[in-house]
Amino acid sequence: EAQVTQNPRYLITVTGKKLTVTCSQNMNHEYMSWYRQDPGLGLRQIYYSMNVEVTDKGDVPEGYKVSRKEKRNFPLILESPSPNQTSLYFCASRPNRHTEAFFGQGTRLTVV
Amino acid sequence: KNQVEQSPQSLIILEGKNCTLQCNYTVSPFSNLRWYKQDTGRGPVSLTIMTFSENTKSNGRYTATLDADTKQSSLHITASQLSDSASYICVVRGNSGNTPLVFGKGTRLSVIA
Repeated sequence: EAQVTQNPRYLITVTGKKLTVTCSQNMNHEYMSWYRQDPGLGLRQIYYSMNVEVTDKGDVPEGYKVSRKEKRNFPLILESPSPNQTSLYFCASRPNRHTEAFFGQGTRLTVV
Repeated sequence: KNQVEQSPQSLIILEGKNCTLQCNYTVSPFSNLRWYKQDTGRGPVSLTIMTFSENTKSNGRYTATLDADTKQSSLHITASQLSDSASYICVVRGNSGNTPLVFGKGTRLSVIA
């Protein structure tokens, strides 16, 4: 089954403790992105990647890192999480810039 | 600045009734516009895509329209069902280089019995 898989689905952590949210897609898509979704603000892009070893900042990259060492995986790294990074995070992939984005199920992160 | 504005912010309708959601955008040059449905706690799922030359497109009880001249789109839901309760997000893609997708904030639809 074609899908985008995020892990974990839910995470509660403390300020400053490094964490990684994984994202994997099995559709051989070139493009992958990370978004955060907050009430009243909608989906905002954090980082995106057009191909292996190619990543770029989105609209709200501060406090986040990503890597794209292989096509299928695009982890999101929070080196020192802060409470303002409490949010619902979505990973998405698409074959190219003209096509539909397929979203993962989301990761609800709470930083206390 | 590229923006997508959706209205209303939220909407409550009775089961079986029709409704129309609006999307206005300023993204230019324009490539395509998609409507996504997002159930609570889940990722968005694409409903329709509209390109510059398309005025209307249907997907079951969902009908999307596009007026590229006025930069407006609508999503009409016919004979609503309880399962239509979700957020509907309008997403516009520009046609310039690696233009990222521009997301609206969504319309929260609640269908009640």
